[in-house]
Amino acid sequence: EAQVTQNPRYLITVTGKKLTVTCSQNMNHEYMSWYRQDPGLGLRQIYYSMNVEVTDKGDVPEGYKVSRKEKRNFPLILESPSPNQTSLYFCASSSSLGGYTFGSGTRLTVV
Amino acid sequence: AQKITQTQPGMFVQEKEAVTLDCTYDTSDPSYGLFWYKQPSSGEMIFLIYQGSYDQQNATEGRYSLNFQKARKSANLVISASQLGDSAMYFCAMREGRNTGGFKTIFGAGTRLFVKA
Repeated sequence: EAQVTQNPRYLITVTGKKLTVTCSQNMNHEYMSWYRQDPGLGLRQIYYSMNVEVTDKGDVPEGYKVSRKEKRNFPLILESPSPNQTSLYFCASSSSLGGYTFGSGTRLTVV
Repeated sequence: AQKITQTQPGMFVQEKEAVTLDCTYDTSDPSYGLFWYKQPSSGEMIFLIYQGSYDQQNATEGRYSLNFQKARKSANLVISASQLGDSAMYFCAMREGRNTGGFKTIFGAGTRLFVKA
């Protein structure tokens, strides 16, 4: 089954404790992206990647890191999470044509 | 600057009727793609339909069609014969850079659609 797999689905952590949200796709898509969704703000792009070793900042990259060492994986790293990073996070991938396939989302709470 | 506007926070439609969800955009890039996504209450994001800026005809996918008016910079989603399962949040999105994908993509704030029985 073609899919984007994100883990974990739910995460509660404390301020300052480094965490990684994993994202993997099995569709050989070139493009991958991370979004956060907050009430009333829609989805805001954090980082995106057009291919292996090619990444760029979206609209809200502060406090986040990404890497694209393999085509299928695009992890999101929070080096020192803060409460304002509490949000619903989505990973998404697409080919050069068509729309995104989204992961199921990761609900992160930073206390 | 890139911008997407959805002016309808919420809408009601009677089952089996058609409904139009509005979306306007702003970009200086002549090559872009426009998308609509559905987010049911369960939370997943589902791709519905795509329109390229150079496409001559409006996109259609089953009961979904995209009313693309390039001069007015609008990309409204039309859902025909609404069903109860269409109740969801709908997001309009724009991808700049190339007609066929990649690059930066922004989303509107969304429109919540309620379908009444």
